[in-house]
This record gives sequence, structure tokens and C-alpha cells, in this order.
Amino acid sequence: GESVGLHLPTLSVQEGDNSIINCAYSNSASDYFIWYKQESGKGPQFIIDIRSNMDKRQGQRVTVLLNKTVKHLSLQIAATQPGDSAVYFCAENKGSRNNDMRFGAGTRLTVKP
Amino acid sequence: AAGVIQSPRHLIKEKRETATLKCYPIPRHDTVYWYQQGPGQDPQFLISFYEKMQSDKGSIPDRFSAQQFSDYHSELNMSSLELGDSALYFCASSRGGNTIYFGEGSWLTVV
Repeated sequence: GESVGLHLPTLSVQEGDNSIINCAYSNSASDYFIWYKQESGKGPQFIIDIRSNMDKRQGQRVTVLLNKTVKHLSLQIAATQPGDSAVYFCAENKGSRNNDMRFGAGTRLTVKP
Repeated sequence: AAGVIQSPRHLIKEKRETATLKCYPIPRHDTVYWYQQGPGQDPQFLISFYEKMQSDKGSIPDRFSAQQFSDYHSELNMSSLELGDSALYFCASSRGGNTIYFGEGSWLTVV
């Protein structure tokens, strides 16, 4: 399953499928990006980050892709599990000295058993 | 590992009252951030402090103020509370421009 654009707030996938969550960022000067996972009533948890000098970064079951040309970021989750159900936010560093991160609109991922 | 500690976790206040939220960043982190998250909304940046000085300001209302103390803990003061201030307030910290780590948040309900 794949979310398209910032205005599709939900994504539903079958357990075991791959998920792709997309995010468009606004500031071409942003040089650091993070994906966060937020479960209900909890604080955002760091998943994976990427700097602007990279196009791709892989973690455990997750991959982040960065396309600076179109200012697009995506999070790929392999073999999605029920525990992956949460809201996912991308955040960008606006390029300020003190790494002021700004969040994009979240995508709610629901994994169906 | 130590995380960002916020208190209180839950707070109920009446309209026009004042509330104070506290945040204890991860040890040796030099930057503290405050975010507000309304129901179903993404976190909105309020304000940040770097080495105890205000470093950036987001959508923080004039009724709100914050500061960072010598021990690096921070407090968010909210006065003349309105119903719309009901939200989850997150504190986060980072060190040297690296990953921002979030606390579990403080739930503020204004009635």
C-alpha cells in the first residue's frame, strides 16, 4: 500500500505487505529529515533519518528515500506488522542553526491482520 | 537510557487559569523544544532554547511563555487558558543538531 501526497491521512495495508508513506517537504534549504512514529497518546518515536547528501538510507525493515529534485521523502516499511500501526510523521530541518525540526502532516497507517 | 521527562503527565485547568509544564531534557542535550499537538493534528512547534537562550519561535501564543534554567530544565507557562489550549504538549531535546527525542507529553485539558 502507498499513501499519495500530504492530503491522504490514512493508509491501510494487509499484514505482511510492504507500506510506502510519502511526504513532500517545503524548504529546499532543509538538509536533515527524520521519520517519526507516533502511537496513540505517546510521544513521537524516532524511526530513521537521512541527510540531504544521501538519496537512500536503510534500517531494520525500513528504508527512507529522498528526492531533492522534487522535495519528496518516502518511508518504506517491509513486511508490515500489526505493531506498525501508528501515525507517521516526516520532519524537516528548516536549515536554522539550532536544528529546528518542523513536522509535516501525519499519515495514519493501519495494518489489517 | 535516560529519556526526556515531562511533568505533569495530565493536567486539568479551568478557563482563564494558568498552567505550568516542566521538561527535563536528556542529560548533555543542549537544545530543548516545545510542541503542541491538538487532537488529530500534527505537532506544532512552539519555541526552542539552545544553551538556555531562546533560539527559535513558532506558533506560540502571546499568552504563553517559556524559559530554560541553569540546570537545562525548561518550563512552559500558559496563562489565561482557553478551551482551544487543550492539547498534548511535548517537550523534546537534542544535542549538537542531531536527532530530536521526544518526551511522552503532558495532557492539558481546559474546562
